Amino acid sequence: SYVLTQPPSVSVAPGQTARITCGGNNIGSKSVHWYQQKPGQAPVLVVYDDSDRPSGIPERFSGSNSGNTATLTISRVEAGDEADYYCQVWDSSSDHLVVFGGGTKLTVL
Amino acid sequence: QVQLVQSGAEVKKPGASVKVSCKASGYTFTGYYMHWVRQAPGQGLEWMGRINPNSGGTNYAQKFQGRVTMTRDTSISTAYMELSRLRSDDTAVYYCARADIVVVPAAIEYYFDYWGQGTLVTVSS
Repeated sequence: SYVLTQPPSVSVAPGQTARITCGGNNIGSKSVHWYQQKPGQAPVLVVYDDSDRPSGIPERFSGSNSGNTATLTISRVEAGDEADYYCQVWDSSSDHLVVFGGGTKLTVL
Repeated sequence: QVQLVQSGAEVKKPGASVKVSCKASGYTFTGYYMHWVRQAPGQGLEWMGRINPNSGGTNYAQKFQGRVTMTRDTSISTAYMELSRLRSDDTAVYYCARADIVVVPAAIEYYFDYWGQGTLVTVSS
């Protein structure tokens, strides 16, 4: 089945830009979605369909997807952005319809 | 506003079964697939399967085939996930999640726009 690869951790200073990658074979041909999960809480959708933001999500969160890599970009990082981030795609070619990346822990220094 | 409210924490012995409920409100229950995702302590998200609340049709991840059953009661807008023959490595937080669609060329894909609060299932002797 399809595999998504994320770096285990990313660190960034407040006010800087964080980039979290999600690698997959020809992922640019798929629609990629991103979730933020803070400790003890359910995941929250922050970007869907590569680069769209749900209502209520700050413009600081953006996404892109091309080739074999999708990227979640968080501009002007704040302490409250510290969380785990997961990418997700739909894989109708197998019985495992939903694939998540392994998650990336974003640390705000 | 859309809400998914799950049942409370459970403690089960190995070999037992657990049934978790997910009550939906704020939208037409039969209009969106409901998925179940679990997360073991300190681990990532793992997809378990989905149910079409309109037809009752299901798709399960191969890993859980034969042990998981997803059902729904449209009269009370509630989805259920039952996992049988529990083992210690089934200890996890179980989430229900509503799936919305993205239309891509020649296909429809899904993402999760709303999640339940999670239900901790502990399997211990």
